[in-house]
Amino acid sequence: NAGVTQTPKFQVLKTGQSMTLQCAQDMNHEYMSWYRQDPGMGLRLIHYSVGAGITDQGEVPNGYNVSRSTTEDFPLRLLSAAPSQTSVYFCASSYRGNTEAFFGQGTRLTVV
Amino acid sequence: QQQVKQSPQSLIVQKGGISIINCAYENTAFDYFPWYQQFPGKGPALLIAIRPDVSEKKEGRFTISFNKSAKQFSLHIMDSQPGDSATYFCAATGNQFYFGTGTSLTVIP
Repeated sequence: NAGVTQTPKFQVLKTGQSMTLQCAQDMNHEYMSWYRQDPGMGLRLIHYSVGAGITDQGEVPNGYNVSRSTTEDFPLRLLSAAPSQTSVYFCASSYRGNTEAFFGQGTRLTVV
Repeated sequence: QQQVKQSPQSLIVQKGGISIINCAYENTAFDYFPWYQQFPGKGPALLIAIRPDVSEKKEGRFTISFNKSAKQFSLHIMDSQPGDSATYFCAATGNQFYFGTGTSLTVIP
């Protein structure tokens, strides 16, 4: 099993550009989530989903959109990239919201 | 308001020593308290976790101590090894995860 797969691993964007970070899991988990990791800030929840067709905002949702059309995929969209969105992004999945979360390898995004 | 507070920010321990990282949480509805280990360039991986109905859980050299009344929990790493050098995150969750800010552990040979 691949677990949680994120693509791309690295990305450089210009301010104002849009892009989609991809996340796929093969564990049939209902719960998926996106985090950003910044130095000294830990992991902060951006958006999460408790199942296909259901999404909700986390702690830092502004500037990001998500959708969940299938159980396997949970893409994160940056609508108009800003330098403040420079970060490392992690996708995670779990059976439920209070069980072990499995993380992808991360996407390092730089916005210039 | 930060839901989970973690300390210390960094920790240096001699090989064979005990590493202790502490966390405190706010919400009494949290029912799952995991610790994650992260190596540079990798995603976090579950190290050990506890539920609030027990006060201690041990897995090998790693132990979680949980104090429900104080709303605190801690990670103890016994016989710390250089390979344990990593960043450790505590977390608490009910229906969404709240992470601490992380502790960078360095174990000196």
